[in-house]
Order: sequence, then C-alpha cells, then structure tokens
Amino acid sequence: AQKITQTQPGMFVQEKEAVTLDCTYDTSDQSYGLFWYKQPSSGEMIFLIYQGSYDEQNATEGRYSLNFQKARKSANLVISASQLGDSAMYFCAMRGGIQGAQKLVFGQGTRLTINP
Amino acid sequence: EAQVTQNPRYLITVTGKKLTVTCSQNMNHEYMSWYRQDPGLGLRQIYYSMNVEVTDKGDVPEGYKVSRKEKRNFPLILESPSPNQTSLYFCASRPGGAGELFFGEGSRLTVL
Repeated sequence: AQKITQTQPGMFVQEKEAVTLDCTYDTSDQSYGLFWYKQPSSGEMIFLIYQGSYDEQNATEGRYSLNFQKARKSANLVISASQLGDSAMYFCAMRGGIQGAQKLVFGQGTRLTINP
Repeated sequence: EAQVTQNPRYLITVTGKKLTVTCSQNMNHEYMSWYRQDPGLGLRQIYYSMNVEVTDKGDVPEGYKVSRKEKRNFPLILESPSPNQTSLYFCASRPGGAGELFFGEGSRLTVL
C-alpha cells in the first residue's frame, strides 16, 4: 500500500526566510508521481509542483522546488524567500503505478504560518 | 475559464435526509474523482470515474453513491447522511492519462 507521511503538523517561519516542508513516502511501485498542493484558509486546493519518479532533476516552479531523494523516499518542498501569502496548509501527495494510478494518496498536511 | 464547479458550497442537513452534491467540469476531462478532507487525515478518495458510465470505489466509499452519465458531471449522492459524513468534500478532474488533479472549491457538509 502507498503511504505519505508529513511529520510536521505546524511550522512557524519568519517572512523572507526559506522553509522546508518534509514529506516521506512508501511505495513498492517503480513508477510514481509526487505532488504538492497548497490549501489557503479559503479552502481551495492549489497545485504547486510535480516530480516524476524517473525525473533526474529536481522539479522547480518559481519559488517552489522539490528536493527529491529517491533512495530515502523523501520529497520535501522548499519555498524560498517566504511571503505572508504563503501561510496555508500544505499537502504532499503521491500517485502510484498501475494499481495506484487512479488516486492520489495524501499526507496529513503541514500548516505553515509566516510571521512578519 | 477552466474550472471544476461544486454545489452547494455549504450545507447543513439532518441525519437521513438524502442529498446530492453536484460537480461539473468544463475541461473535457475523462477522469473525475471525489475526496473528503478530515482534520489529521488529509484527503481520502471516495469514488472515481475513468469515463462516462465507468465508476469505481476509492478508499472510503461507504455511505456514498456516484454516477457518470455525462462526461462533464459527476454528482456525489448521500442516500442517508449520518453525522460521521460531516466533512469537507472535493471534486477533482484531470485528463485521462496523467497530470495533476484540478480541484473544485470544496463543499462543506454538516450532518446534524
């Protein structure tokens, strides 16, 4: 079975600092995809970044990057130069291979608070 | 504008009163899915649909029904809601192959 673990229920960071949100995963699939979503207080789910298991380079999207360490089964989200608007809930998710391809498995989430 | 639209966004109901949460997408996506979000549990899949007339159970299907008669619509039906179905519900869609899920804005349901 596939599993995502986010061990940080909450994080508090000073504005403009970089922040790393932890995500570890467990799967026996060789082919899988890892996603990060942001959920602001308004409730919608916003896609941030994607990493495929065969991608050799770490994914980047603007201020977001994904620190993908395949051997350690970790897919940490790094936000550079944090802003007040980054305060939100962040979810790590995985889509597995053939058997798990039809759903995203989500972690419990990390609530990030950016302090001015 | 490409979007997934859910209705109602907020609903308070009573135990046993049938309700339907509608979901519609305008992106011609083959795949649609329903999730529920509960504190400390993240999002869990209820049902999904690969295409018209093709639906299957997710991880937490008990107490829910779905149908996919048209490509754009994927309603979630609670035949006899119970308090443990109080939750935030999300509909999502994506093209058939892969890629990220596009989520609706969520429907907050309270069952008294």
